[in-house]
Amino acid sequence: KNQVEQSPQSLIILEGKNCTLQCNYTVSPFSNLRWYKQDTGRGPVSLTIMTFSENTKSNGRYTATLDADTKQSSLHITASQLSDSASYICVVSATSGAGSYQLTFGKGTKLSVIP
Amino acid sequence: DTAVSQTPKYLVTQMGNDKSIKCEQNLGHDTMYWYKQDSKKFLKIMFSYNNKELIINETVPNRFSPKSPDKAHLNLHINSLELGDSAVYFCASSRTGQAGYGYTFGSGTRLTVV
Repeated sequence: KNQVEQSPQSLIILEGKNCTLQCNYTVSPFSNLRWYKQDTGRGPVSLTIMTFSENTKSNGRYTATLDADTKQSSLHITASQLSDSASYICVVSATSGAGSYQLTFGKGTKLSVIP
Repeated sequence: DTAVSQTPKYLVTQMGNDKSIKCEQNLGHDTMYWYKQDSKKFLKIMFSYNNKELIINETVPNRFSPKSPDKAHLNLHINSLELGDSAVYFCASSRTGQAGYGYTFGSGTRLTVV
């Protein structure tokens, strides 16, 4: 059964500090892994998407890493801002033949950045 | 603006009513989806639909039905609403065969059944 586990469930940090969110997955056959940011009352917005051969990808202050051997990914946020307060969702895509794929969602990490 | 747009953003209705949520995308995508996000913020897929195939999550009650008048629209119709249907419903779209690249969500519709 495909699963995506995220940790921690919630996190509170001071503005300006860095933090790292974790994602472990058991999804096969692996196609890609994405991190989404979901602001309160909004839909998820893609931050990064990585394929099997990519170890790291950055989007501004967000840096995602992927270890396909251990099936782990992390999202590192540098110099956090109040606007980073949101839920961060790890989503893993598995191919299912004929150009189709299946997404497995993690339950998200709720990040609160406080002044 | 290129986007996935849903209407209404908020919907409050009584038990037993029938309601529809509309979704439109102008991204040229050929597959659209409906997701339910419960109070624990967990996104669960309900339907995926392109012009060839409707895939239904077997856990979705048959009171829920997707209706697609064309490739750019996938509306969600709910019959005999129940209290447990209260959630945020997200529409999404993507292009088939690109392993989910360009997967885009709408802003959600918060449904409250009273």
